[in-house]
Amino acid sequence: DQQVKQNSPSLSVQEGRISILNCDYTNSMFDYFLWYKKYPAEGPTFLISISSIKDKNEDGRFTVFLNKSAKHLSLHIVPSQPGDSAVYFCAASALAGDMRFGAGTRLTVKP
Amino acid sequence: NAGVTQTPKFRILKIGQSMTLQCTQDMNHNYMYWYRQDPGMGLKLIYYSVGAGITDKGEVPNGYNVSRSTTEDFPLRLELAAPSQTSVYFCASSPTAYEAFFGQGTRLTVV
Repeated sequence: DQQVKQNSPSLSVQEGRISILNCDYTNSMFDYFLWYKKYPAEGPTFLISISSIKDKNEDGRFTVFLNKSAKHLSLHIVPSQPGDSAVYFCAASALAGDMRFGAGTRLTVKP
Repeated sequence: NAGVTQTPKFRILKIGQSMTLQCTQDMNHNYMYWYRQDPGMGLKLIYYSVGAGITDKGEVPNGYNVSRSTTEDFPLRLELAAPSQTSVYFCASSPTAYEAFFGQGTRLTVV
């Protein structure tokens, strides 16, 4: 039962353009959402998060949007840089400590 | 600053053997987690802990056991290893319920 879904396994973007990564969820009890970034042979690193009481959160080049009615969130990276090339995981939590992850989207930013 | 340390980094186990994956954090975080990542898949939560002496099952706890006797340590025990437990295991910790710091992972192969 995949409660957090990332339907695009990969995304390729030109350097300087916008990257948009999408995530859908099925559990309406989720109230906190996160994005993690993962490089090969390393553990994931936290990128940005959003609470269900907000619909947008920004941190530098990264912005997360939450649409609760559609059970959808997205991560925008502007401008995209080659160093952003990694696998991005969406995660969600309904109960403190119980954090569920999507399958990930591999982002490639071409110079 | 070591962060989250996992040992070993690699291990090959025979079917039916047992082992313990070690995880230590030096950030005094209350929350700790064990995830597994199968090839091409997202992270699946095995167990988590909200503090010393407290553990809870995640999505895929069968075949595993954990204990949390101290704030720093959260070992994961595999009993009677099976090929289906071949995976990369990540330990993580967080000061609050959400933004987690991950270790480098343990790559386990059961043959």
